[in-house]
Amino acid sequence: NAGVTQTPKFQVLKTGQSMTLQCAQDMNHEYMSWYRQDPGMGLRLIHYSVGAGITDQGEVPNGYNVSRSTTEDFPLRLLSAAPSQTSVYFCASRTGENIQYFGAGTRLSVL
Amino acid sequence: RKEVEQDPGPFNVPEGATVAFNCTYSNSASQSFFWYRQDCRKEPKLLMSVYSSGNEDGRFTAQLNRASQYISLLIRDSKLSDSATYLCVVPFSGGYNKLIFGAGTRLAVHP
Repeated sequence: NAGVTQTPKFQVLKTGQSMTLQCAQDMNHEYMSWYRQDPGMGLRLIHYSVGAGITDQGEVPNGYNVSRSTTEDFPLRLLSAAPSQTSVYFCASRTGENIQYFGAGTRLSVL
Repeated sequence: RKEVEQDPGPFNVPEGATVAFNCTYSNSASQSFFWYRQDCRKEPKLLMSVYSSGNEDGRFTAQLNRASQYISLLIRDSKLSDSATYLCVVPFSGGYNKLIFGAGTRLAVHP
């Protein structure tokens, strides 16, 4: 019963490096999202997808790209990491009734 | 005013106490809202949904006051294991049916 699987759990990058955070779900949910969580600011939506081949920007999309080639996978790409992107990242998928299931998170530090 | 606001706390209460949190929101016509629980360094997990008629699950009671635009969470007979951050989630209408997370209220239950 995997649910939402995120990798890696931890990552340290240098400014300017790129990387991809992986996210996969096995619940056949159409909706998937990426959030970042910073102290005192709650979860902020980066990008989301309402189905394979369809993505859109959320509240804080700058510096991130996504793609959705399959229902299961929704990777998040950091194009050129900046210290402001130091955060905890959560991938989520949700049911048609708006119930969200989150991955375990990725703690990213950009030096 | 933020779309969703919560008192960050912390609420420090002894075991056995009753504690209540509120979450205020603006401009949502949704029929259901949500409370999530987030343990330290973990992902948020659904605690309970909140409907117009309210919802009760064991020691937890959630209510919606649509006229005053807030949802509440009441925890009776607090346990040490209830120590966590509680996030309220408000759906807003729009093409994606956007979910807005509050920044969370931290609860610390002590012996």
